[in-house]
Amino acid sequence: EDQVTQSPEALRLQEGESSSLNCSYTVSGLRGLFWYRQDPGKGPEFLFTLYSAGEEKEKERLKATLTKKESFLHITAPKPEDSATYLCAVQAAGGSYIPTFGRGTSLIVHP
Amino acid sequence: ETGVTQSPTHLIKTRGQQVTLRCSSQSGHNTVSWYQQALGQGPQFIFQYYREEENGRGNFPPRFSGLQFPNYSSELNVNALELDDSALYLCASSLSSLSPTEQYFGPGTRLTVT
Repeated sequence: EDQVTQSPEALRLQEGESSSLNCSYTVSGLRGLFWYRQDPGKGPEFLFTLYSAGEEKEKERLKATLTKKESFLHITAPKPEDSATYLCAVQAAGGSYIPTFGRGTSLIVHP
Repeated sequence: ETGVTQSPTHLIKTRGQQVTLRCSSQSGHNTVSWYQQALGQGPQFIFQYYREEENGRGNFPPRFSGLQFPNYSSELNVNALELDDSALYLCASSLSSLSPTEQYFGPGTRLTVT
């Protein structure tokens, strides 16, 4: 069974204080790993797709990296508007395209 | 380009009743997936529709059913509502079910079962 574990569950940062969120996964074969941002009461917003170990993608203050067992979302010099829940999901190789989501990391950035 | 829309925004139902939730996919997207998100949890996959056919189903009972129409819009139907069905229901559309493409989510429908 595919599993996704995100840590920490919650993270409080001061504005400008860089940090990383972790997504550990167990899957029989990785087809893709996805990062989403979700604001309270809204649907998730797509951020990145990573396909293979060693791959990196960047968008503004966010950088996602991937190894064979985990992915990191690095947040550089965060601002209060980066406050949100960040979700990680994996899609396994094979016949099923069902994605498995983690529970997310709730990030609060204080001014 | 029109994004994913869902209706209604909020809904309150009584245990045992039936509910239909609606979703319009993003322009050009032929695949729609439905998710249930309980408070403090990640989205749980319910099922996916690709060109009007169910293309995958998560661990949900048969009282959760769906439809996709020729214009790729979709409905989620839940019969015999239970208290545990209270959640945010999310619809997501994507270009294809055949590769790990990114999904674009709607704002969700908040269902409360009393």
